[in-house]
Amino acid sequence: ETGVTQSPTHLIKTRGQQVTLRCSSQSGHNTVSWYQQALGQGPQFIFQYYREEENGRGNFPPRFSGLQFPNYSSELNVNALELDDSALYLCASSVGLAGLSYEQYFGPGTRLTVT
Amino acid sequence: AQTVTQSQPEMSVQEAETVTLSCTYDTSESDYYLFWYKQPPSRQMILVIRQEAYKQQNATENRFSVNFQKAAKSFSLKISDSQLGDAAMYFCAYLVEEGGSEKLVFGKGTKLTVNP
Repeated sequence: ETGVTQSPTHLIKTRGQQVTLRCSSQSGHNTVSWYQQALGQGPQFIFQYYREEENGRGNFPPRFSGLQFPNYSSELNVNALELDDSALYLCASSVGLAGLSYEQYFGPGTRLTVT
Repeated sequence: AQTVTQSQPEMSVQEAETVTLSCTYDTSESDYYLFWYKQPPSRQMILVIRQEAYKQQNATENRFSVNFQKAAKSFSLKISDSQLGDAAMYFCAYLVEEGGSEKLVFGKGTKLTVNP
């Protein structure tokens, strides 16, 4: 069974730029959730995708957007990067809604630094 | 609003000893799920244990067990026979079903140090 993978591992961007982070869900999982973890904090929910549709969003501005593909992999896009966007971005996959496993399995994260 | 509070920013334990990490949460729901996740320096969140609120029996996974007090909204994690590999950040989390999505609400974490 393949676990959740994320790419890249880390990257550095300049304020105002755009970034795309990628996530491959665990085999058999149809739901992907994205979280932002600032230094010294617990993860904060950004949004969730179920079968290619966004079905929930946390308190993040519209410049945070995402996609889910037919194979259930996902992308997180952030436009107009700000210094406060520097964080660890975590992707989690699960068997959502009808599957109702309620357990989310996390990838290793992408460390984003905005300068 | 659902919140999760971990009142111990740091804890330490001697190898082979037992340690308990505290967590309280706030919810108006009667049925919900609680989790403990471990985050070692490698950064990957690892699910340690989960508890369904409708179950009165406390969950146990090998050396890890919980003390779930529903009325008090308390969910502590006990680690028995602590090992050096248990050193990590531990996060308590509550699963919220909202508008069709299922999101985890995390506490700020407890850093556990295991001394040889």
